[in-house]
Amino acid sequence: NAGVMQNPRHLVRRRGQEARLRCSPMKGHSHVYWYRQLPEEGLKFMVYLQKENIIDESGMPKERFSAEFPKEGPSILRIQQVVRGDSAAYFCASSPGLDSDEQYFGPGTRLTVT
Amino acid sequence: AQSVTQPDIHITVSEGASLELRCNYSYGATPYLFWYVQSPGQGLQLLLKYFSGDTLVQGIKGFEAEFKRSQSSFNLRKPSVHWSDAAEYFCASSGSARQLTFGSGTQLTVLP
Repeated sequence: NAGVMQNPRHLVRRRGQEARLRCSPMKGHSHVYWYRQLPEEGLKFMVYLQKENIIDESGMPKERFSAEFPKEGPSILRIQQVVRGDSAAYFCASSPGLDSDEQYFGPGTRLTVT
Repeated sequence: AQSVTQPDIHITVSEGASLELRCNYSYGATPYLFWYVQSPGQGLQLLLKYFSGDTLVQGIKGFEAEFKRSQSSFNLRKPSVHWSDAAEYFCASSGSARQLTFGSGTQLTVLP
């Protein structure tokens, strides 16, 4: 039973480019969460999605960041016009939903903006 | 709003010694509580969780945690630490909003 998969594991972008981070949840999981870990900071919630729905995006920066979880395919976190401050590790977690709050994390994508 | 505090940024213990990592939470109701471990360059692995019931929770790798409502604490313990336990440990809580709120983490160093 494969765990949560994220790709790419490492991503280098120049300032102004777009970054697309992908997350495939565990089999049977319909809920996806994105978290960001900035250097010298803890993990911060960004967005919570179910299939085709954004449930809670209270942790998303107001500009340049968007997320989706389509009916088919992985969840995508998209960062437009990246800046150096976007350099961080981005983690995806999934859960079965319903009453379970147990979240299983992927290995993360480490984004470096040069 | 929820908050989780891990007062110890860095802890060093000798291999074979006992370990206790502190965690305090702030939440109106009883939250769901978790401990995760993160090795360098890796994702987070769930060690254990508390939802309700028995306040002493057993997890993987020989870890346990005790929920104490009166102290708003959920401390992680291990009776005998192994060198492979060196990692960063995160306490987290969730409530009705489902998102996890993390503490700032405790870095564990294990001396031979």
